[in-house]
Amino acid sequence: DTGVSQDPRHKITKRGQNVTFRCDPISEHNRLYWYRQTLGQGPEFLTYFQNEAQLEKSRLLSDRFSAERPKGSFSTLEIQRTEQGDSAMYLCASSHRDWTLVPYFGPGTRLLVL
Amino acid sequence: AQRVTQPEKLLSVFKGAPVELKCNYSYSGSPELFWYVQYSRQRLQLLLRHISRESIKGFTADLNKGETSFHLKKPFAQEEDSAMYYCAGREGGKLIFGQGTELSVKP
Repeated sequence: DTGVSQDPRHKITKRGQNVTFRCDPISEHNRLYWYRQTLGQGPEFLTYFQNEAQLEKSRLLSDRFSAERPKGSFSTLEIQRTEQGDSAMYLCASSHRDWTLVPYFGPGTRLLVL
Repeated sequence: AQRVTQPEKLLSVFKGAPVELKCNYSYSGSPELFWYVQYSRQRLQLLLRHISRESIKGFTADLNKGETSFHLKKPFAQEEDSAMYYCAGREGGKLIFGQGTELSVKP
């Protein structure tokens, strides 16, 4: 499968625990995006990278959230001290940095915080 | 901030009926708009974008700058069109999504 992949697909954790999600983009894509989607809502932008540089972060991304893309390939999204409100689907997408810039999405990681 | 609005959460039609999924935007400058679709248990995927002016799976969407709309249309709905549809607009290097409309096509 040459599409965007995410791991794990599902995560159940207890409030206060830390969780980390991984995203592997399409290999030739140099832009990588993280979105969050809650029930009944569209995807909400969190942050994006071009290569290893984090170019933009949403105000939604509190201090408990951190994202990295150390070698410009895969990315990780960590949530520290999880809260029940963090329960959501976390989507990763990637795109070429050219005039098309159309993001291709991964299957998502569903997080449930108990 | 740029906004994309989909006023209908659910649209239910019968097979063979015309479909119009509404999308309105508030953008300064020239908007770049998209429709994404998510079928049950599948990932979000691009359906079409306004600059391509293409028809995918019988769907079309025309940018109406006067009405600030980018409605998605199909003349004859099929059962396999049942899915979540999201309108999105580009803001800088990212996409901003609407809340989505669930299309249900009944036999």
